[in-house]
Amino acid sequence: GAGVSQSPSNKVTEKGKDVELRCDPISGHTALYWYRQSLGQGLEFLIYFQGNSAPDKSGLPSDRFSAERTGGSVSTLTIQRTQQEDSAVYLCASGLPAGRPQGEQYFGPGTRLTVT
Amino acid sequence: GENVEQHPSTLSVQEGDSAVIKCTYSDSASNYFPWYKQELGKRPQLIIDIRSNVGEKKDQRIAVTLNKTAKHFSLHITETQPEDSAVYFCAASIDQAGTALIFGKGTTLSVSS
Repeated sequence: GAGVSQSPSNKVTEKGKDVELRCDPISGHTALYWYRQSLGQGLEFLIYFQGNSAPDKSGLPSDRFSAERTGGSVSTLTIQRTQQEDSAVYLCASGLPAGRPQGEQYFGPGTRLTVT
Repeated sequence: GENVEQHPSTLSVQEGDSAVIKCTYSDSASNYFPWYKQELGKRPQLIIDIRSNVGEKKDQRIAVTLNKTAKHFSLHITETQPEDSAVYFCAASIDQAGTALIFGKGTTLSVSS
């Protein structure tokens, strides 16, 4: 079946502008994660959604970052007033719901964000 | 919170040699340790994982070892091939779906033929 998809694949924006990044998880996966991958850095956890429960926002680096998930499926990560340090690849992953042993998180292709 | 350190950051080997990547973690509550492989321009994919109830797990040319007392775990690749060239990430978490993975910074493995 279809994997995790993300759009856009690339986004160039000017400093100070807002951006929205979209993630479509694998059908039936109720868990959805956002990670950020900066050059030379690992995968940094940002936020996690599980069904209709309140999201785990513990990884968001500042209040300029927010995310929502509508209908338990598609998620949007919003970065307000972008800064150059926000430039990175933003990866979305989906997986099994809570209550089961940890398993593979299936990653999307990522959105490469460049803030000029 | 959990902190994962990964070494080395880069590793170059000749085809056929073995490669070893090491990670340490800080949170003794972590009990699930996956390894992800990310080829150039592609998304990360799980290659092997280990839970804290075992000390070693093997899958063909890949093995992972875990030392809970020392809080470190390692990835071993034997008989390396050029297609093993990629960035490898270790991670640690609680063994419960829905828990964020805390990743190391990655190791770039280059296998030359």
